[in-house]
Amino acid sequence: GAGVSQSPSNKVTEKGKDVELRCDPISGHTALYWYRQSLGQGLEFLIYFQGNSAPDKSGLPSDRFSAERTGGSVSTLTIQRTQQEDSAVYLCASSLGTLAPTDTQYFGPGTRLTVL
Amino acid sequence: AQKITQTQPGMFVQEKEAVTLDCTYDTSDPSYGLFWYKQPSSGEMIFLIYQGSYDQQNATEGRYSLNFQKARKSANLVISASQLGDSAMYFCAMREYSSASKIIFGSGTRLSIRP
Repeated sequence: GAGVSQSPSNKVTEKGKDVELRCDPISGHTALYWYRQSLGQGLEFLIYFQGNSAPDKSGLPSDRFSAERTGGSVSTLTIQRTQQEDSAVYLCASSLGTLAPTDTQYFGPGTRLTVL
Repeated sequence: AQKITQTQPGMFVQEKEAVTLDCTYDTSDPSYGLFWYKQPSSGEMIFLIYQGSYDQQNATEGRYSLNFQKARKSANLVISASQLGDSAMYFCAMREYSSASKIIFGSGTRLSIRP
C-alpha cells in the first residue's frame, strides 16, 4: 500500500477484555513503531521493531501490553485485561530503518480505543 | 536526557499571515534530527519538515521553513501565508543518533486560522 494502514479505526471494549490492534507498514520499511496518544496529549513511545533485531520494549507501560511483528511486516499490539486508562489513540509508524537521525517516520491513521 | 519543549499550547492567526511555532530541545548528542509533524482533526500525523544538526542551511518545504538556531537549541516552524487548512495540532520531535529507536515528541501547539 501507499501508506501505513491500521485496523480497526475505532475499537470500543469493556474493561477486562483483551484487544488486538493491527498495523501494516509501508512496503520496504524495516522499522516499525507504536505510540500512544491520550486525549489532548503528545505521543508516548511504546515499542520499536527494527528488522530481525530484538524489539525495544522500553516504552510499554505494563506487562499487559505486548506486540509482535510477523515476517518483518505486519505488527499486532495486544492489550490484555484492558483498563479505562488504556483509552487513547494508538498510532503506528514505519520508516526505512537507516538508524540515522534523518530516518523519517510515516504514521498511520491510528486506532481509537475506548475502554468502558 | 533528550527533551522537547513547545511552550505555546494554542495560537490564533489571521488567514494569510505568517506564523511561528516555537520549539526548543535539549540533548547532549552532537548528532540529531529535528522533525515537525501536523495532526489535523482526522488524527493522522503528517510529516512536514526535517532539519539535521549538521545541516548548514535552514530547511524549507513549500510554505514551511524551519528557523534552526543551534546555539540556542531552538527549531521553530514558520508557516508563511497561512491557510484555513493549516488549522491543526503541530508537534516538534527529535531523534538522537545515539538512540535511533526513539523519537521524542513535544506536547504540541494547536494552531487555529481565522478567516
